[in-house]
Amino acid sequence: DQQVKQNSPSLSVQEGRISILNCDYTNSMFDYFLWYKKYPAEGPTFLISISSIKDKNEDGRFTVFLNKSAKHLSLHIVPSQPGDSAVYFCAASDGGSNYKLTFGKGTLLTVNP
Amino acid sequence: EAGVAQSPRYKIIEKRQSVAFWCNPISGHATLYWYQQILGQGPKLLIQFQNNGVVDDSQLPKDRFSAERLKGVDSTLKIQPAKLEDSAVYLCASSFIGGTGELFFGEGSRLTVL
Repeated sequence: DQQVKQNSPSLSVQEGRISILNCDYTNSMFDYFLWYKKYPAEGPTFLISISSIKDKNEDGRFTVFLNKSAKHLSLHIVPSQPGDSAVYFCAASDGGSNYKLTFGKGTLLTVNP
Repeated sequence: EAGVAQSPRYKIIEKRQSVAFWCNPISGHATLYWYQQILGQGPKLLIQFQNNGVVDDSQLPKDRFSAERLKGVDSTLKIQPAKLEDSAVYLCASSFIGGTGELFFGEGSRLTVL
């Protein structure tokens, strides 16, 4: 039972364009959402997060949008750079679970020069 | 600030053998996690410690996996006996108490069971 779903295993975009990574969740108890980035042979690193009381959070080139009614969130990267090429994991938690994170399977983003 | 340290980085063993992984979290982080990441999957939580105590081990296969965190700092994860399906990257992460999920991960220990 996958509670966090990233339905696109991979995404390829041109440098300078927008990258949009999508994530859906099924557990209505989730109230905090995070994106992690992972390079090969490294551990995931935290990128950006959003609380369920917000619908948007921005940090430089990265913006996360949350649509609670649709149980959907997305990560926008503008403009995309070759160094953004990595696997992106969507994760979710609910405060009542000691912030236990449930991860999606990840989306491999490739940004072509 | 030093990151989360893990060792060994790579381990190859035969099925039914045992293996142990070590983790040293970021100084001052009271919460420590072990995640299992199978190829093509997202990380799955095996066990979460807060200081010395276990907060969540609901997904730890306790017949073969064990973990301890002595003195509330370093932690070891042991698998005995290993099965083929245990082949994965074992990720250690740490965070502050009450953190909302911003975990700091180590580079992981890649286990191959033959």
